[in-house]
Parts: sequence; structure tokens; C-alpha cells
Amino acid sequence: GQNIDQPTEMTATEGAIVQINCTYQTSGFNGLFWYQQHAGEAPTFLSYNVLDGLEEKGRFSSFLSRSKGYSYLLLKELQMKDSASYLCAAPSSGAGSYQLTFGKGTKLSVIP
Amino acid sequence: GAVVSQHPSRVICKSGTSVKIECRSLDFQATTMFWYRQFPKKSLMLMATSNEGSKATYEQGVEKDKFLINHASLTLSTLTVTSAHPEDSSFYICSADGRTGRHEKLFFGSGTQLSVL
Repeated sequence: GQNIDQPTEMTATEGAIVQINCTYQTSGFNGLFWYQQHAGEAPTFLSYNVLDGLEEKGRFSSFLSRSKGYSYLLLKELQMKDSASYLCAAPSSGAGSYQLTFGKGTKLSVIP
Repeated sequence: GAVVSQHPSRVICKSGTSVKIECRSLDFQATTMFWYRQFPKKSLMLMATSNEGSKATYEQGVEKDKFLINHASLTLSTLTVTSAHPEDSSFYICSADGRTGRHEKLFFGSGTQLSVL
């Protein structure tokens, strides 16, 4: 089965850096996704990690450690519009399948 | 980029009525689409996998006779909530497997907020 755990809520200041952690236990590993979801809207893709290490994409970076079952999303130079829920997700079946199991999401509040 | 259109975005209905939600892939063919449900402050939960030309695969605990899924073409899947009740009120989101060769393979619709009175 799949088990994905992430903090429920976080608060950070505009302009700062925040790290959102995710631990996972999966039957087989087929990569890890991060999505951003604003209230009442569909998730939007942020990153996909399948190899260990840090992948940087503008203000957002994602890190993966397969041996530790651990990932984090790093948001730099926070902006007010970054206030959203951040979802960690893993494919729940074979490689190439996008039947995703989502964590409960971390609600990030960016304050002035 | 690939776009998935979901309609309607919001629907309010009376208890006992049926509601149909459409999910269309606009610029790619999707042999597989997924339907998720999200209750307030909860995670997205997979309800079913919709396969073009065959029966949908439902997750444990999801009633297939209540949540009818039809995937009659490579660009359209529909979810019908039959005899809706207040406990069915939720945010329903579809996604389509775009198989674009990029990491962003799974494209989400904009969601449907269902409120059953």
C-alpha cells in the first residue's frame, strides 16, 4: 500500500524560504510528484523526482532521498501568491501509471 | 501545453437527482482518465480509473452503481452521480494521462464543486 505523510499547515514570511517535507512508504517506487493547489482549483504540476538529489526550477526546488523515503519542496523568495496547499503524491501502481496517491497536503500561508 | 476541460465548474442540485460531470482532453487523446474526490481540508482520493472502450476500475469503497463512468471516446469521460445525497457534496476532479513524454504527464481538469441540498 501507499502511505504519504506531510505537515498539515505552515506559515512563512514574504521573501523568505520555506521547506515542506514529505515522507512516503510505497510498494515499489515510481517517482514522487509535487503539486500546488489553490483553494477550489485543480492541482497544478510543480515537479517530478525519480532520482536522488535536488532538482531546481526557478524559485521552486524539489529534493528526493529514495533510501530514506523522504522528499522536500523548497520555495524561495516567497510571494503572497504562493499561499496554497502543496501536495506530495506517488504513483500507486506500475511505472508509467499516473494513478496517484496524494498526501493530505500542506497548507502554506505566506504573511507580509 | 495539454489542456483538460471539466464542466460544470459548480453545480447545486436537490437530493435524489443525478448530476453529470464531463471531462474532455482538448488537444490530446487520453485512453486513461482518472476521477478524484476531495472533501474540505482532505486529500484528493482516487475514485476510479476510466478506460476508453472498457469498464471503469473503481477503488475500494466507491459504489460503481452510484458513480457511473462512461469513457466512450478518446477525448471524453463522464462521471454521473446518481441519486445524489448531501454526503456526496464534494469537489470532483478529473485528470487525463497525456503521455506527452514530459514529466507533466497527468493533466487535471479545473474541478467541479457539487453541492447537494
